[in-house]
Amino acid sequence: ELKVEQNPLFLSMQEGKNYTIYCNYSTTSDRLYWYRQDPGKSLESLFVLLSNGAVKQEGRLMASLDTKARLSTLHITAAVHDLSATYFCAAGGGGADGLTFGKGTHLIIQP
Amino acid sequence: NAGVMQNPRHLVRRRGQEARLRCSPMKGHSHVYWYRQLPEEGLKFMVYLQKENIIDESGMPKERFSAEFPKEGPSILRIQQVVRGDSAAYFCASSPYGDTQYFGPGTRLTVL
Repeated sequence: ELKVEQNPLFLSMQEGKNYTIYCNYSTTSDRLYWYRQDPGKSLESLFVLLSNGAVKQEGRLMASLDTKARLSTLHITAAVHDLSATYFCAAGGGGADGLTFGKGTHLIIQP
Repeated sequence: NAGVMQNPRHLVRRRGQEARLRCSPMKGHSHVYWYRQLPEEGLKFMVYLQKENIIDESGMPKERFSAEFPKEGPSILRIQQVVRGDSAAYFCASSPYGDTQYFGPGTRLTVL
């Protein structure tokens, strides 16, 4: 059974700082996703990582995947308040399988 | 291209009633997934459907819950005889095969 663990679960940081969210998964997974969720809203797709060593960047967010370590990271550079949200990683078994989600990282960025 | 649509957005039911949640996938997407999110938790996979077929229902509770995706019309998640523990946000996602899943706005079910 695939299990996904994120840490930290809660993170409060100041604007301008850098930080990393970690996502570990328990068994081989073909792909790793990062989603953002604002309070009371749906999930917004941020990144899809498909292969070992994959790195994707969008603005102040950068995601990477190490399939050997079964680890993905989401790095935040020079955080701004607008990035406050809950971030989920999710792993899938490939093809069209349902996703297994981590519990999410609740990120608060203070001015 | 309209996104994934779900209705109703909010649903209140009393214990013992039935809840019907609807999901219309994005145009061109034939794969539909249902997830449940409890407060302060991640999403839990429930069921994966293609048109007229249930492909994987391994996350679906064995009793009271059912899902369908008919040839015409939206996918429906049905919960019979709701209990307070069914209160949650239910999200539908759709995808073309093997690609990113796009999520709808969710239906927030409250059982009184």
